[in-house]
Amino acid sequence: QLQLQESGSGLVKPSQTLSLTCAVSGGSISSDDDSWSWSWIRQPPGKGLEWIGYIYQSGSTDYNPSLKSRVTISVDRWKNQFSLKLTSVTAADTAVYYCARTDYYFDYWGQGTLVTVSS
Amino acid sequence: DIQMTQSPSSLSASVGDRVTITCRASQSISSYLNWYQKKLGKAPKLLIYAASSLQSGVPSRFSGSGSGTDFTLTISSLQPEDFATYYCQQSYSSPLTFGGGTKVEIK
Repeated sequence: QLQLQESGSGLVKPSQTLSLTCAVSGGSISSDDDSWSWSWIRQPPGKGLEWIGYIYQSGSTDYNPSLKSRVTISVDRWKNQFSLKLTSVTAADTAVYYCARTDYYFDYWGQGTLVTVSS
Repeated sequence: DIQMTQSPSSLSASVGDRVTITCRASQSISSYLNWYQKKLGKAPKLLIYAASSLQSGVPSRFSGSGSGTDFTLTISSLQPEDFATYYCQQSYSSPLTFGGGTKVEIK
């Protein structure tokens, strides 16, 4: 059974960079034909879900235009993990951040990690 | 961006009730529509993909229908474990977008 687990700093100061990693176990992050990708999704407190972006094991990425200027998603196939960096954070970036496997849907999710932006 | 609008935003229902949630896309998305169940403190759970395909392990009381711009999630007989927030999500084009959610509460 595929499992995903987020890790990273739970508290980030305004203007700094949020960094999270998603470790994938029970399966490989790689696929022969890029049949799936790996996404980051967030949910601010009391609000809905927002897709941040995804990466294929080949390294190809796609980002939400609303965050594109501040987001970088990378993949480490050897460690079977992928990562999120979000720069210049503000309080509006406070959210639970999820990683998820992506086909045309998000079928496997991490448990989520709360990141609070505060001085 | 494709906007996804869910209605109602919340509803109250009793165990055993039939519940219907609708999702409307701002443009045609064919059948690229998925439904998720979200409980407090838990990750979203995929229920329905491609508008009407039941994800493995999901009870058959959940069903989805629709194509184009209008979609429906139906719970045929609401169970206690079904009280949650439900989200639709389009995968027709980037950026991938979610509806605002429908909170199903106990009546």
